[in-house]
Amino acid sequence: DGGITQSPKYLFRKEGQNVTLSCEQNLNHDAMYWYRQDPGQGLRLIYYSQIVNDFQKGDIAEGYSVSREKKESFPLTVTSAQKNPTAFYLCASSDSGQGNYGYTFGSGTRLTVV
Amino acid sequence: RKEVEQDPGPFNVPEGATVAFNCTYSNSASQSFFWYRQDCRKEPKLLMSVYSSGNEDGRFTAQLNRASQYISLLIRDSKLSDSATYLCVVNRRNTGFQKLVFGTGTRLLVSP
Repeated sequence: DGGITQSPKYLFRKEGQNVTLSCEQNLNHDAMYWYRQDPGQGLRLIYYSQIVNDFQKGDIAEGYSVSREKKESFPLTVTSAQKNPTAFYLCASSDSGQGNYGYTFGSGTRLTVV
Repeated sequence: RKEVEQDPGPFNVPEGATVAFNCTYSNSASQSFFWYRQDCRKEPKLLMSVYSSGNEDGRFTAQLNRASQYISLLIRDSKLSDSATYLCVVNRRNTGFQKLVFGTGTRLLVSP
């Protein structure tokens, strides 16, 4: 079955560490996205990518970095510059950034700073 | 002002009840609209798209009022399994590329 796989499901980070969250899709979707969700808040866009080797900052990109070297993969690195990284991170993909398409989400990664 | 605004609830209803959620959006250029469902500590899942003429999917009916920039979701004959948070979602079009903007959600609790 096609879908999006995020790993790990839970991640603990020490202060000052960089961590990388994995996102892989086999839906053959061109566009991929990273969102962050905090308790009681809506999803906020971190980065998005329309095609391979291209990505753009979203609304809250500071302290994060991404790469898109393969169509299937869009990893997110949470750097030590992100001051409040504890959150639920969601990766999504869509068939196209054009038109009336919804997103398919992965099951998410819960990141906690210890 | 938030781009997408929803009443956070919770809406507490008995099984079998009809319940309606509303949502307003600020970007008049938005063209795509959706309702997503999110269960506790899970990812959002697409419930239905919202079309200009309104649309129905089983017990769920979605309506769009472009003039008022208002979207609604009606759930008939509520089931216990409908308990979840319902997210109102609109697109933000930037040089032709669609990015979705999510509301904070309305929580529904259906009781026996």
